[in-house]
Amino acid sequence: NAGVTQTPKFQVLKTGQSMTLQCAQDMNHNSMYWYRQDPGMGLRLIYYSASEGTTDKGEVPNGYNVSRLNKREFSLRLESAAPSQTSVYFCASSPPPTVFYSNQPQHFGDGTRLSIL
Amino acid sequence: GENVEQHPSTLSVQEGDSAVIKCTYSDSASNYFPWYKQELGKRPQLIIDIRSNVGEKKDQRIAVTLNKTAKHFSLHITETQPEDSAVYFCAASMGGTGGGADGLTFGKGTHLIIQP
Repeated sequence: NAGVTQTPKFQVLKTGQSMTLQCAQDMNHNSMYWYRQDPGMGLRLIYYSASEGTTDKGEVPNGYNVSRLNKREFSLRLESAAPSQTSVYFCASSPPPTVFYSNQPQHFGDGTRLSIL
Repeated sequence: GENVEQHPSTLSVQEGDSAVIKCTYSDSASNYFPWYKQELGKRPQLIIDIRSNVGEKKDQRIAVTLNKTAKHFSLHITETQPEDSAVYFCAASMGGTGGGADGLTFGKGTHLIIQP
């Protein structure tokens, strides 16, 4: 099993260009997440999808859109890229909630390193 | 929303000594507290987690403690080894409405350096 796969691994954009980051998981997980990581800031949640057909905003959603295409795939779109969106983007997924616990361990992909000039 | 503070930002210890990293959270509704290890240029990897119905959890050289009253939790690494050098992140989550999943709020990380 590949786990969580992100494409591309690296990308350079010009200000104003659009871009879709792809994420797919093969672990039959229900929930998927997008985070960005900036130096000294830790990881911050952009959007998440608790289950197929649902999406919710996280801490820093402005400038981004998401699509939960099916159970396996969750994409992140930058409609008009800005230099402030230069970051490393991580996708994660987690198994479904149990009777006792709503939150389950999140497994991360290798990240997409995005630079916007 | 939730806010997670992590200290120290950098921690240097001698090989074989213990390391302790501390985090505090703001929202008493948080009930899930994972710790991630991230090596340079790599993905965050879960090393241990604890839920609010447990006060302590151990896995070999790693342990986590949780004090719900004070709203803080700590990572303890004993007998540190060179391969423990990395950035460690704490996180907190409270679960979504209707019992569904929720995203994590991360601390800003601790750079752990193991001196030979």
